[in-house]
Amino acid sequence: EPEVTQTPSHQVTQMGQEVILRCVPISNHLYFYWYRQILGQKVEFLVSFYNNEISEKSEIFDDQFSVERPDGSNFTLKIRSTKLEDSAMYFCASSRFQGDGYTFGSGTRLTVV
Amino acid sequence: AQTVTQSQPEMSVQEAETVTLSCTYDTSENNYYLFWYKQPPSRQMILVIRQEAYKQQNATENRFSVNFQKAAKSFSLKISDSQLGDTAMYFCAFIPLEGGSQGNLIFGKGTKLSVKP
Repeated sequence: EPEVTQTPSHQVTQMGQEVILRCVPISNHLYFYWYRQILGQKVEFLVSFYNNEISEKSEIFDDQFSVERPDGSNFTLKIRSTKLEDSAMYFCASSRFQGDGYTFGSGTRLTVV
Repeated sequence: AQTVTQSQPEMSVQEAETVTLSCTYDTSENNYYLFWYKQPPSRQMILVIRQEAYKQQNATENRFSVNFQKAAKSFSLKISDSQLGDTAMYFCAFIPLEGGSQGNLIFGKGTKLSVKP
């Protein structure tokens, strides 16, 4: 069964450092997303991406965040200068069309120290 | 604002019994999809079941079924013959297909389900 792949599974970084979280969505999916889940809290929408551009972003997705689809397969989330409160599980997801059930990756646990 | 409410932070059930997890949502939209996701200790998000709002028939997926009450904006999940592997966090979510936030999943806070042997 096709799956969304995320790397790394766990990353520890120093506050103020840049991190790049990587995702390979399902190949025939057209919509891509990043969500995050702070420990013990609900899953929050960060950004959606379609047709090589951001289609929507939340208030969380400020200037410190950016997304890119550098080639036909990868979808990355960059955090320029990490803060302690960026520590969370980051999920990438993809879907064939709007309203379709998302397929989530297994997540990247980001720990900022 | 569009919201999803799961009023049961934690529930437990005996193995082989049936359990129902509740979910209500608030939206002014008429066109949307509803989902239940399972998050086991591995923290991966796994789609359990999906319901289109325009369909009156409740979705079923093996031991999982929903009770969708559109007028009441209620979307409960029933798990029959509970198994130890059902132990997980369960999230109710919906995607509005019109208006703001269209296409983006909106999650509830989750219900932690423990299945006891």
